Amino acid sequence: AQSVTQLDSQVPVFEEAPVELRCNYSSSVSVYLFWYVQYPNQGLQLLLKYLSGSTLVESINGFEAEFNKSQTSFHLRKPSVHISDTAEYFCAVSSSGGYNKLIFGAGTRLAVHP
Amino acid sequence: DAGVTQSPTHLIKTRGQQVTLRCSPKSGHDTVSWYQQALGQGPQFIFQYYEEEERQRGNFPDRFSGHQFPNYSSELNVNALLLGDSALYLCASSSSNQGNTQYFGPGTRLTVL
Repeated sequence: AQSVTQLDSQVPVFEEAPVELRCNYSSSVSVYLFWYVQYPNQGLQLLLKYLSGSTLVESINGFEAEFNKSQTSFHLRKPSVHISDTAEYFCAVSSSGGYNKLIFGAGTRLAVHP
Repeated sequence: DAGVTQSPTHLIKTRGQQVTLRCSPKSGHDTVSWYQQALGQGPQFIFQYYEEEERQRGNFPDRFSGHQFPNYSSELNVNALLLGDSALYLCASSSSNQGNTQYFGPGTRLTVL
């Protein structure tokens, strides 16, 4: 069985400050890892993903995440946040083989204040 | 290129009724997955359809059923609605030969009174 733990339910931060949203996973098989973002009253948008290759992955809007197999983590970081980054962020895992159902964490609410 | 679309956007039902939610996958995608997201929680996997068959199912009762059509669109049916079925229902599509990345629709907000 797989599971995902997002260590912070809420992260308040001031605009232009750096932020890290933490994600740990548990799995007995190789995994793919994802971060999705959800704005109020909307569906999930894919932010970035790790499938293979470089353990550091980046999104087009300045977020990055690093796959750390030894620590079973996939933390999300951004060096300078904007008000528009305020949203719910979900970390998810799927098996790298077989079917691709996603197991999600409970989410982290990022609140960026001016 | 249209992304994943879902209908309706919102739905209000009463306990015991039945509901059907619809999903059209992203162009080029052949696999559809459904998730239930209760308020304040992460999405929970309901089931996945590929080649018009359910190929994987989460821990949901048989009241939850689905269907996939030849054009890859999908329906989620819920019978004998309970108050606890109130949630955002998300559809996600992916391609069986282009990796495992799932793309989500905007969701259907179901309220059971």
